[in-house]
Amino acid sequence: GDSVTQMEGPVTLSEEAFLTINCTYTATGYPSLFWYVQYPGEGLQLLLKATKADDKGSNKGFEATYRKETTSFHLEKGSVQVSDSAVYFCALWDSGGSNYKLTFGKGTLLTVNP
Amino acid sequence: GAGVSQTPSNKVTEKGKYVELRCDPISGHTALYWYRQSLGQGPEFLIYFQGTGAADDSGLPNDRFFAVRPEGSVSTLKIQRTERGDSAVYLCASSLTGGQAYEQYFGPGTRLTVT
Repeated sequence: GDSVTQMEGPVTLSEEAFLTINCTYTATGYPSLFWYVQYPGEGLQLLLKATKADDKGSNKGFEATYRKETTSFHLEKGSVQVSDSAVYFCALWDSGGSNYKLTFGKGTLLTVNP
Repeated sequence: GAGVSQTPSNKVTEKGKYVELRCDPISGHTALYWYRQSLGQGPEFLIYFQGTGAADDSGLPNDRFFAVRPEGSVSTLKIQRTERGDSAVYLCASSLTGGQAYEQYFGPGTRLTVT
């Protein structure tokens, strides 16, 4: 079945540091890939997505590139801010089959200190 | 506009009791999803509605769990004979229609605690 594996947290960085959160996946079909973010006290929000190989999703300074050869979708940001502190979830939507569910990783807690 | 809302935000119940969790999707969204998020885990799919019908209920863990959406808008997740293992945050999401092209918008969740 489908699965998503993301790096274990928590991740603690200083402001303006470079961020990478690794995400790899297995899927039976040809998935679309997503990063969701959950800020403290808020619901899940879509951060960015990519629907085909070599696509780059980007938003709020975050980027992730769909790498089919390595089945990866790593999240990066060049300079993090305190306001980026949140839990980040990698997810996929498998186009193979008839279901419409998102499959999520376990989440990575990011804390950015001033 | 209003987002997805869920009530109650917190529910504490005793083992063996029945609970209902409510989801109000974004107006006009025909697709509605329920997910369950246990501590330290990502959300896990439970059920997907397109309109009034459950198009995919493959994620419901057992027959104690049931969900309805009688008028194609509000949905209720029902859990019978609750067990301590049912404790989790139950998330609802809606999208304009089903399919990967349409973003799922999530509600804030209902935290269920079974004592």
